[in-house]
Amino acid sequence: AQKITQTQPGMFVQEKEAVTLDCTYDTSDPSYGLFWYKQPSSGEMIFLIYQGSYDQQNATEGRYSLNFQKARKSANLVISASQLGDSAMYFCAMREPGSARQLTFGSGTQLTVLP
Amino acid sequence: DGGITQSPKYLFRKEGQNVTLSCEQNLNHDAMYWYRQDPGQGLRLIYYSQIVNDFQKGDIAEGYSVSREKKESFPLTVTSAQKNPTAFYLCASSMTGRGQGAPNYGYTFGSGTRLTVV
Repeated sequence: AQKITQTQPGMFVQEKEAVTLDCTYDTSDPSYGLFWYKQPSSGEMIFLIYQGSYDQQNATEGRYSLNFQKARKSANLVISASQLGDSAMYFCAMREPGSARQLTFGSGTQLTVLP
Repeated sequence: DGGITQSPKYLFRKEGQNVTLSCEQNLNHDAMYWYRQDPGQGLRLIYYSQIVNDFQKGDIAEGYSVSREKKESFPLTVTSAQKNPTAFYLCASSMTGRGQGAPNYGYTFGSGTRLTVV
């Protein structure tokens, strides 16, 4: 079973508008961390934002915010005031406690910002 | 500045050849990982290591080998047994830790190596 699901293979948004990238996750552990990474065409992976399962408030980092709905097991990334440089692949990931402590990644969403 | 360095950026392999991708970090991270990414796809875990001289297979370890002789280094060898090695390879590192609370140890990634079979 998929632990991280990103249902939007591709998304388009007009420059200066906001966009939401969906992510749902599956875990039975009460302690977990959720991450979003950006991958531009150069290939590097850039950390954007983190949300802990015990955090009471939604995480925010500049134009990025995470809409964390714990009961629905969703952790959607909201990008406000999109810029052309936001065009990239976006990955949602989860980390669970345990001996391996790996990140599990979703399949990604390709975001294209239109001028 | 601390970081994680992958080399080379581009690598070409002939059929039947083994090649080794380098990954070095100076972040004092215990854990290191290798991922493969095919065009338009997500990341698939090849191997990971949480401690020196120990490593585990990920989801697609066949045709690959690794070593972890030093904390800072985690080289990946793509062997001739890997039939379709053309891909983008990403190395990552992270802290490990136990204790209470949600694990906030994300990855630091290298800039990747693009491997092409010629």
